[in-house]
Amino acid sequence: DGGITQSPKYLFRKEGQNVTLSCEQNLNHDAMYWYRQDPGQGLRLIYYSQIVNDFQKGDIAEGYSVSREKKESFPLTVTSAQKNPTAFYLCASSIRDGYTFGSGTRLTVV
Amino acid sequence: RKEVEQDPGPFNVPEGATVAFNCTYSNSASQSFFWYRQDCRKEPKLLMSVYSSGNEDGRFTAQLNRASQYISLLIRDSKLSDSATYLCAVTSVEYDYKLSFGAGTTVTVRA
Repeated sequence: DGGITQSPKYLFRKEGQNVTLSCEQNLNHDAMYWYRQDPGQGLRLIYYSQIVNDFQKGDIAEGYSVSREKKESFPLTVTSAQKNPTAFYLCASSIRDGYTFGSGTRLTVV
Repeated sequence: RKEVEQDPGPFNVPEGATVAFNCTYSNSASQSFFWYRQDCRKEPKLLMSVYSSGNEDGRFTAQLNRASQYISLLIRDSKLSDSATYLCAVTSVEYDYKLSFGAGTTVTVRA
């Protein structure tokens, strides 16, 4: 079955450490997105990519980085510059406005 | 002003009741509108798209009011399983089909 896979499901990060969240899709979608969700809030866009080897900043890109070397993969790195990284991270892919979401990664700073 | 705003609720209703809530959007160029359902600690799942003429899917009815720039969701005959957070989302080709989300409306259906 086609879908979008995020890993790991839970991730713990020490202060000052970079961590990378994985997102893989086999839907043949061109566009991929990373969203962050904090408790009681909606999803906020971190980065998005509409095509391989190209990506754009979303509304809250500071402290994050991405790459899009393959159509299927859009990993997100949470760097030490992100001062409040504890959140629920959601990856999505789409064709036009038809979105599919991954099951999310819950990142906690310890 | 946020691009998409929702009444956070919570709406606490008995089983069988009707509950309705709105979502306003600020960008008049928005073209596509959606309601997503999100259960606690899970990813959002598409509940329904919202069409200009309004649309219904079983007990759920969605309406779009372009003049006043809001969409609405009505749930009839509420079930315990309808308890969730409902997120509205809007997008447009002008913004590369990026989805902008509201913060969500929490609905709790009690027995």
